[in-house]
Amino acid sequence: RKEVEQDPGPFNVPEGATVAFNCTYSNSASQSFFWYRQDCRKEPKLLMSVYSSGNEDGRFTAQLNRASQYISLLIRDSKLSDSATYLCVVFASGTYKYIFGTGTRLKVLA
Amino acid sequence: GAVVSQHPSWVICKSGTSVKIECRSLDFQATTMFWYRQFPKQSLMLMATSNEGSKATYEQGVEKDKFLINHASLTLSTLTVTSAHPEDSSFYICSAGDNEQFFGPGTRLTVL
Repeated sequence: RKEVEQDPGPFNVPEGATVAFNCTYSNSASQSFFWYRQDCRKEPKLLMSVYSSGNEDGRFTAQLNRASQYISLLIRDSKLSDSATYLCVVFASGTYKYIFGTGTRLKVLA
Repeated sequence: GAVVSQHPSWVICKSGTSVKIECRSLDFQATTMFWYRQFPKQSLMLMATSNEGSKATYEQGVEKDKFLINHASLTLSTLTVTSAHPEDSSFYICSAGDNEQFFGPGTRLTVL
């Protein structure tokens, strides 16, 4: 089983739609969780950190479920510019490694 | 946010040559930097953890004698791909940071 798993997609959604991605992780000792966005042929950029209480940043909402070991990202009112690959990243201080999921591709269609 | 630079941004070389990639943290010091490799349509795979002043820690399956890492200062880590072969062609990315990881823009290596 992969340490961090994501549905690779692609998710094709119309503008204005709401879309949600899930990510599961296998290491119960994982401590920090992030969503990164990667555009084609570019480096990943932090979208948001994920906190236990859940957090929201504009149209983006992230949730963490430690019991079930998954995190989620919800995008409301999708824009064309949201088209990208969304990477789930998990960090465990014991191993001091950031482990990336394979990414979920999102295409927002006009 | 903090800035991490990489040089070169792309390189094309002949099989058998060595290629050095630099990763610099421009406005902060980094005792630890990470080196990743990303093949097309795949995620970032951690190759090694670069530690300032000590040996790098390599992931399983990554040959330390082929991918030489030097972290000589708190702002610079270098990755040298020795005797590069076409299968080493990939997108190499470094990152640094305390909690949030800041990524360099990546180096696209093509080995002919």
